[in-house]
Amino acid sequence: EVQLVQSGAEVKKPGESLKISCKGSGYSFTSYWIGWVRQMPGKGLEWMGIIYPGDSDTRYSPSFQGQVTISADKSISTAYLQWSSLKASDTAMYYCVRPTGYFDWSLQVWGQGTLVTVSS
Amino acid sequence: SSELTQDPAVSVALGQTVRITCQGDSLRSYYASWYQQKPGQAPVLVIYGKNNRPSGIPDRFSGSSSGNTASLTITGAQAEDEADYYCNSRDSSGNHGVFGGGTKLTVL
Repeated sequence: EVQLVQSGAEVKKPGESLKISCKGSGYSFTSYWIGWVRQMPGKGLEWMGIIYPGDSDTRYSPSFQGQVTISADKSISTAYLQWSSLKASDTAMYYCVRPTGYFDWSLQVWGQGTLVTVSS
Repeated sequence: SSELTQDPAVSVALGQTVRITCQGDSLRSYYASWYQQKPGQAPVLVIYGKNNRPSGIPDRFSGSSSGNTASLTITGAQAEDEADYYCNSRDSSGNHGVFGGGTKLTVL
């Protein structure tokens, strides 16, 4: 069974750094893109960025370029989303996602979500 | 353009047919995919590509596209179809993805 299992909920203070993870299983991790989607409380879905673990090709939405860093460690089939300095506005549910294929970015597999709360 | 536009809310009588639309320039080049999200749950892919349904998605869900508009049609809407629906595609450059703002479907 193809699965994406994300790390647990986080509560952080503004200005702190954070790295959340997403472990893929049941498929060849290096053969599929893996990405991140944000959902702020009561709001819609926002496409953040995506990485191809096979060659580390990474694409960001302009809205998130420079705000977060997406990476992957193919040795442990895990993708990461990190912040160097969190803001209260980063409070959201973050989903990792795996598209259908290399060229088709339809988001077939979703992780369970990681809730990030940033509050002083 | 990086925008996909959806109607914020749509309603349908139980058992009737409803169409949810998504407009954007990038849809002239890329297919839309559609996601259903129920409260407190992760989204679920319901339609992708020209008109493909993942395993387990009922055949009352279908997709179509014309010009800059993609549509999700639910034929014979059920109470369990009440949810938020989002369209998604690449932006016109093809370098990143984009979501529509979402449509809240109410089944009356």
